[in-house]
Formats: sequence, structure tokens, C-alpha cells
Amino acid sequence: DAGITQSPRHKVTETGTPVTLRCHQTENHRYMYWYRQDPGHGLRLIHYSYGVKDTDKGEVSDGYSVSRSKTEDFLLTLESATSSQTSVYFCASADSDRPYEQYFGPGTRLTVT
Amino acid sequence: SQKIEQNSEALNIQEGKTATLTCNYTNYSPAYLQWYRQDPGRGPVFLLLIRENEKEKRKERLKVTFDTTLKQSLFHITASQPADSATYLCALSTGNQFYFGTGTSLTVIP
Repeated sequence: DAGITQSPRHKVTETGTPVTLRCHQTENHRYMYWYRQDPGHGLRLIHYSYGVKDTDKGEVSDGYSVSRSKTEDFLLTLESATSSQTSVYFCASADSDRPYEQYFGPGTRLTVT
Repeated sequence: SQKIEQNSEALNIQEGKTATLTCNYTNYSPAYLQWYRQDPGRGPVFLLLIRENEKEKRKERLKVTFDTTLKQSLFHITASQPADSATYLCALSTGNQFYFGTGTSLTVIP
């Protein structure tokens, strides 16, 4: 998995609470991504980062924010969790020389009740 | 945005045969097309990338073709093995955006 870990691996939270998911990579990859995966949908890009403090929105960014203060860490925050954000979240990273070859973490299963 | 269609039905094949998976897309042709493998409960694993100006790419028992006229990519696994059983995802990318298909479930029967 290219040395990518995600924490927590499972989380149950209540509607309206803030949630932060963490992604940590040890490959010194410059690019990092957050996706969500839902039945009937492919992986959908939430936010991405091309370096420290360089982030941008993906296809489904509403309700999410990200931060990247160190190369190895990329945080995804759900500002006020809703039931529609129940999903499996995947983090990925890629080397700047091969930005289209992404290496994924094991995923975080988030349930919002 | 892109719409990507992969074989919606699961694909079952006999061990030793060639599995062929299809990825069709609408709208503009992507600069890059990738194939990933995903096992239950795990993250996708990168397999192959093909560029828009390439027709075919091979890696061991895997072959990918890319036809920008048909807006289609085919993914072949030759001499299939039960260990090849997984879901295979097609992904398209242009610039900073990535679009994934829902995947095709492949089962290789011993």
C-alpha cells in the first residue's frame, strides 16, 4: 500500500458533529487525494493536494475541508457530519513524476447516525 | 464531468481463459486512463496506465487497449487464475480531476 495509513479505520458519529480523518504516508509523495466510495458510484474525488498548504476541490467537496501542514499528512474534516456522508473514505498518494499512478490507503468506514 | 461505464454484471470465467473487461466513457477523451484492482475491504491497487496517444500497454499477463474513437478501453487478463478474482476499476484523468467507474467483479473458477 505504498506506506499509506488511515486513522481511524472505523468511526460512528452523530449528525452535526465534526469529524477529522487522517492520512499518513511515508513515501514522500508530493500529491495526496481524498475520495469517498459508495455503492453504485465509483470513487469520487473530494479534495486533493499538490504540496504542503496547496489544496484544491474535487468533484464532491461540499461539506468537507482539508489541510496539509506536512508532506506526509493529509487531514479531511467533515465540518458538521450528515447522514449523506456515511461512506468509505480512501486516501491516496502519488509521486510528482507519476501523478496518475495513485497508491491507496486501506480506507476508513464512517457511519453518521 | 465524465461518465464512465463498466460491465455492470459480474464476470465469471474458467481458470486459464482470458478475461476481458470493458470501460466506456462519454464526453471528452481523457489524457490518461488507469486500471486498478480492488479486493473486498481494501483500497484499490494500481495496475496499469495508458496515455491517450497509446493504443496498447502490456504488463506480464495484463493488457490494456485504448480506443479514443470508440471512447473505450479494454482490459485483458490472460491465463487467468483464481487469485485474479477481484473487482477491477477503470479511472480516467485529465488535469487535476480523476473519475472512476463502479468496477467489474471478476471471479475465476478453478
